Amino acid sequence: EAGVAQSPRYKIIEKRQSVAFWCNPISGHATLYWYQQILGQGPKLLIQFQNNGVVDDSQLPKDRFSAERLKGVDSTLKIQPAKLEDSAVYLCASSPFRAGGPDTQYFGPGTRLTVL
Amino acid sequence: AQSVSQHNHHVILSEAASLELGCNYSYGGTVNLFWYVQYPGQHLQLLLKYFSGDPLVKGIKGFEAEFIKSKFSFNLRKPSVQWSDTAEYFCAVNHTGAGNMLTFGGGTRLMVKP
Repeated sequence: EAGVAQSPRYKIIEKRQSVAFWCNPISGHATLYWYQQILGQGPKLLIQFQNNGVVDDSQLPKDRFSAERLKGVDSTLKIQPAKLEDSAVYLCASSPFRAGGPDTQYFGPGTRLTVL
Repeated sequence: AQSVSQHNHHVILSEAASLELGCNYSYGGTVNLFWYVQYPGQHLQLLLKYFSGDPLVKGIKGFEAEFIKSKFSFNLRKPSVQWSDTAEYFCAVNHTGAGNMLTFGGGTRLMVKP
């Protein structure tokens, strides 16, 4: 079974530029998550999708971050404009949906973003 | 807001030593608990999880964790570590009412000396 795919793996941009990250979840997984992991910290959830609908985006800085999951499969996370503090690893995860029950999340390799 | 604490940020052990990594969480209701591991250059992988039932959970590679509800803890243990266990370990918690949102601890970086 193929895992969660992410691209690019690394990205270096200057502040105020824009950047986009792509994620392809495990086939059949209805739920998709984007996390931000700053160096030395644990991952922090940015947004959660259930199929193509947003379940939770309470921690997404909506003035500069946006995400979409068209057709309920692939997802794109965008930052525009980027700030120095956005330097982090952006992780995508997916999980199968179990109605009324807990889920296990499977993580992709992440995209390491450096903002100069 | 829910929080997860991993008190040991860095741990250095020699091979064959026993390991225990602490994890405490703040939520008082029903929780689901996870340990993830990130080996150097690799992505986060599930080590073990607790949803319900026996509070002593066995995972991959000889790891186990014990859920102690009264102490709000889910400590990770391994009786004898190997050099290949060198990695960063993350505890994560999901509670009912939070959808499937995971709150992660800050991680513990383990180095095992050969």
